[in-house]
Amino acid sequence: GNSVTQMEGPVTLSEEAFLTINCTYTATGYPSLFWYVQYPGEGLQLLLKATKADDKGSNKGFEATYRKETTSFHLEKGSVQVSDSAVYFCALTGNTPLVFGKGTRLSVIA
Amino acid sequence: NAGVTQTPKFQVLKTGQSMTLQCAQDMNHEYMSWYRQDPGMGLRLIHYSVGAGITDQGEVPNGYNVSRSTTEDFPLRLLSAAPSQTSVYFCASSPRFGSAGGTEAFFGQGTRLTVV
Repeated sequence: GNSVTQMEGPVTLSEEAFLTINCTYTATGYPSLFWYVQYPGEGLQLLLKATKADDKGSNKGFEATYRKETTSFHLEKGSVQVSDSAVYFCALTGNTPLVFGKGTRLSVIA
Repeated sequence: NAGVTQTPKFQVLKTGQSMTLQCAQDMNHEYMSWYRQDPGMGLRLIHYSVGAGITDQGEVPNGYNVSRSTTEDFPLRLLSAAPSQTSVYFCASSPRFGSAGGTEAFFGQGTRLTVV
């Protein structure tokens, strides 16, 4: 079945550092890929998405590229801020319900 | 914009009690689902519905019932609460099921349930 593996956290960075959170997936067919973010005490909200190979999703300075050859969708940001502190989830859907990775907690310190 | 509304936000139950977690969406979405979030486990799918009158089981359905009598509402029932059901529960909705167009899921704020 479909599955998502993302790097274990927590990740602690200083403000303005570069962020990478790795995500790889297993799926049949051509899934859509997502990054969701969960701020403290809130539900999940969509951060970015990509629907086909080589698509790049971007939002709020975050980027991720759908790499079919490596089955990956790594999340990157060039300069993180304290306000980016949250839990990040990689997810996919084919003709199936959304499947999530276990989440990566990011803490950014000033 | 209400979006997806979950009630209650917090609940404490005794073992063996039953209760219903409410979920309502005002976006006319066909697809709704329930997840539970546990530390180190991510989100796991409990049940989902692709439309009124249609439900199906997810990864962890045992101990939970659902029904979908209207497009707007998708309640989750705990039949006899157990400590293992202590978790944060999220309801989500999407315009449609599957990946066509990269369908986005909209989440409620969650219900934090403790079973003692």
